[in-house]
Amino acid sequence: GENVGLHLPTLSVQEGDNSIINCAYSNSASDYFIWYKQESGKGPQFIIDIRSNMDKRQGQRVTVLLNKTVKHLSLQIAATQPGDSAVYFCAENRRGNRDDKIIFGKGTRLHILP
Amino acid sequence: NAGVTQTPKFQVLKTGQSMTLQCAQDMNHEYMSWYRQDPGMGLRLIHYSVGAGITDQGEVPNGYNVSRSTTEDFPLRLLSAAPSQTSVYFCASSLGLGVTGELFFGEGSRLTVL
Repeated sequence: GENVGLHLPTLSVQEGDNSIINCAYSNSASDYFIWYKQESGKGPQFIIDIRSNMDKRQGQRVTVLLNKTVKHLSLQIAATQPGDSAVYFCAENRRGNRDDKIIFGKGTRLHILP
Repeated sequence: NAGVTQTPKFQVLKTGQSMTLQCAQDMNHEYMSWYRQDPGMGLRLIHYSVGAGITDQGEVPNGYNVSRSTTEDFPLRLLSAAPSQTSVYFCASSLGLGVTGELFFGEGSRLTVL
């Protein structure tokens, strides 16, 4: 079936290193993707988004890459800090006949090693 | 700014009982949605609304009802609770998916059905 999913459920990274979180999607009609961060006990928070007419977008310490050919996107976090410890979700804006809706993947938990 | 407010934060129900999870936003957002979050399953869309008077089903709508009589409020009703509905529920709102995929989430409502 069509889904938005993650390659790895858990990722451990040394503090100060760069983190790369991957996401695969199967709905070729999706044209807008978003990354969210969820800290323990809180609701998800928007990090960055990208539309399908772009292949890269940068924010503060974060970069999202989109490869439409293989239906893959990634979130890169530069110089990972303890505060980056969280679960990261990719999501897609899934177009329907009448309107759009945001569908989430299962998430990747990022552990920061001291 | 209150943002998205969910009540109650915690609730314990017996099988067969009914209840309503309340969600209110003060940002004049057109789009509102309900997700449930279970371990290892990410966030799954239950119902969503693109404006007052309009609601639609998400990925897992069975057992839940919604209504959108005002822009501000989007209550989620469980008509006859089942143990499978034990979960953390998140309400989220957005200006509108044609504008942005940035969802603003509430703090969540943890529901246990015995």
